[in-house]
Amino acid sequence: AQKVTQAQTEISVVEKEDVTLDCVYETRDTTYYLFWYKQPPSGELVFLIRRNSFDEQNEISGRYSWNFQKSTSSFNFTITASQVVDSAVYFCALREGGIKTGANNLFFGTGTRLTVIP
Amino acid sequence: NAGVMQNPRHLVRRRGQEARLRCSPMKGHSHVYWYRQLPEEGLKFMVYLQKENIIDESGMPKERFSAEFPKEGPSILRIQQVVRGDSAAYFCASSPTGTPADYGYTFGSGTRLTVV
Repeated sequence: AQKVTQAQTEISVVEKEDVTLDCVYETRDTTYYLFWYKQPPSGELVFLIRRNSFDEQNEISGRYSWNFQKSTSSFNFTITASQVVDSAVYFCALREGGIKTGANNLFFGTGTRLTVIP
Repeated sequence: NAGVMQNPRHLVRRRGQEARLRCSPMKGHSHVYWYRQLPEEGLKFMVYLQKENIIDESGMPKERFSAEFPKEGPSILRIQQVVRGDSAAYFCASSPTGTPADYGYTFGSGTRLTVV
C-alpha cells in the first residue's frame, strides 16, 4: 500500500534561516511520481515540483531545492534563506504509475506547517 | 489561459440541505479529479472522471455523495443532506489525459464548505 509520511507537523524558523521539510514514502511500484505543493494561508494549492522515480537528480529552483533518495525512500525539500512569504503548509504527495483502481490519484501526506518569523 | 476554476469559493449550508460544487477544468483537459481536505489534514482522493464517465470513485463515500462530468459544462460534486462532518475544502484537479505523466500540476483554488 502507498503511504506518505511528513513527520514534522509544525516548524518555526527565523527569517533567513534555512529549513528542510522531510518526506518519506512507501510504494511497491517501481514507477511512481513524487510531488510537493504549497498551501498558503489563502488556501489554494500551488504546485512546486514533480519528480518521477527514474530521475534521482536533485533539483534547485531559486531558494528551493529537493533531495530525492530512493535508497531511503525520501524526497526532502529545503528552503534556503527563508522569507516570511514562505509561511504556508507544505504537502508531499505520491502517485503510483499505471492505470488501476486507486492509482489514478495523488496520495498526500498530512503536511508540514512552516512559520517564518520576521 | 484560465486555470482550473472552482465555484463557489465559499459555500454555507444548513444541515440537511444539498451542496453543489462546480469545477471547470483547464481548456483542453478532459480528465477531472476531486479531493477533500478535512481541517488540519492532507487532501484525500474522492473521484476521477472523464467526460460522461466515472473512472474511479474508490474514495467517494457510499451515500449522499455523487459526481458527474457532462459532455458540456463543468464537473459537479453533489452532496445531499449535508452533515457537519462534510465541512471541508473540496479541491478539483484536471489533466489533458489520464496518463500519470500529465497529472498533478493543476489544482483549482478549492471550495470551502461549511455546514451549520
